[in-house]
Amino acid sequence: KAGVTQTPRYLIKTRGQQVTLSCSPISGHRSVSWYQQTPGQGLQFLFEYFSETQRNKGNFPGRFSGRQFSNSRSEMNVSTLELGDSALYLCASSSTGIANEKLFFGSGTQLSVL
Amino acid sequence: DQQVKQNSPSLSVQEGRISILNCDYTNSMFDYFLWYKKYPAEGPTFLISISSIKDKNEDGRFTVFLNKSAKHLSLHIVPSQPGDSAVYFCAASVGGSNYKLTFGKGTLLTVNP
Repeated sequence: KAGVTQTPRYLIKTRGQQVTLSCSPISGHRSVSWYQQTPGQGLQFLFEYFSETQRNKGNFPGRFSGRQFSNSRSEMNVSTLELGDSALYLCASSSTGIANEKLFFGSGTQLSVL
Repeated sequence: DQQVKQNSPSLSVQEGRISILNCDYTNSMFDYFLWYKKYPAEGPTFLISISSIKDKNEDGRFTVFLNKSAKHLSLHIVPSQPGDSAVYFCAASVGGSNYKLTFGKGTLLTVNP
């Protein structure tokens, strides 16, 4: 069974640009969560989608958005990039996201904002 | 406000000895706790978990202990192996909603041969 796939692995953008990251969950998983990892803050929850609906959102500005498609693939978008958005963005999937299910993480997209 | 804290950024142990990684939490609503391991350039991988109704859970060389009154959990690795060298994250959730985990900042474990 293929794992969680995130593309691209690396991205370099400049301030003010926007970026779209992609995540393909494990086959059969309908819950996709996104996390931001930075050296100072660790892993922080961005948002989660289940059956194309955003179920929960973390404390991030509206520049961070996402969506989920009918095949459970998910994208996250960051508009008007700032230097502080440089981070590793991790996607995780699980079957339903509840009932203490394990999250399976992808390898992440390393975003650098110059 | 950091609800899950791992106060030791790094830990170094000798191969074959015990590694003890600690985690404290402040949110009394947390009822499920997990440990994840992360190697460089890879995503975190699940290691072991414990429900708040238990105080201990074992899986091979890994044991997690939960002290609810102290809001403290620890991960014991016995015996430690060089391949265990990684960053270990403690995480917690509320009501089984594991899609929204609150993570600590991680502890870098180095196991020396």
